[in-house]
Amino acid sequence: KQEVTQIPAALSVPEGENLVLNCSFTDSAIYNLQWFRQDPGKGLTSLLLIQSSQREQTSGRLNASLDKSSGRSTLYIAASQPGDSATYLCAVRQNTDKLIFGTGTRLQVFP
Amino acid sequence: EPEVTQTPSHQVTQMGQEVILRCVPISNHLYFYWYRQILGQKVEFLVSFYNNEISEKSEIFDDQFSVERPDGSNFTLKIRSTKLEDSAMYFCASSAYGGQGETQYFGPGTRLLVL
Repeated sequence: KQEVTQIPAALSVPEGENLVLNCSFTDSAIYNLQWFRQDPGKGLTSLLLIQSSQREQTSGRLNASLDKSSGRSTLYIAASQPGDSATYLCAVRQNTDKLIFGTGTRLQVFP
Repeated sequence: EPEVTQTPSHQVTQMGQEVILRCVPISNHLYFYWYRQILGQKVEFLVSFYNNEISEKSEIFDDQFSVERPDGSNFTLKIRSTKLEDSAMYFCASSAYGGQGETQYFGPGTRLLVL
């Protein structure tokens, strides 16, 4: 059974820092991995999707990498801003319809 | 930019009552999903729907739950007789073709509280 874990559970950093969020999964047979942002009490905003054949994807200050064989993905946020404060979720998709989510990393960026 | 919308944003109901949660997926998307997130827990898959049929469902999606596409735009989740443990945030999502390489786009959620 696929298990998705995210470390750290929470992170508090000053504005301007570059930071890395980690996601690990136990079964490397995935089709893709998606990173989401969730603001308190709100929905999920898709940030990046990495196909299993890809190594990384970039969008603005965000860069996500995927090492499928070792069951890891990282989300790199450059030059963090207070507006980046949110919970970041990763989710993997296997050969079914469903996304399997991690528990999330709650990020706070203070001025 | 097209987005998934959900109504209501919040719903409070008494245990045993029926509730219907509504979603309008992104137009021209063909695959629809429901997920839920109990407070403090992971987001969990409930069901996927394609071509007016359930494509896949989880063990959570028992006989108390049903889904329907009553017209060309809405997608609904019905809980027949709510239980306290059904209290959660319910998210609707859609994707264009349901392909394994596609992004699933999520709505803002409906927060359901069962008393």
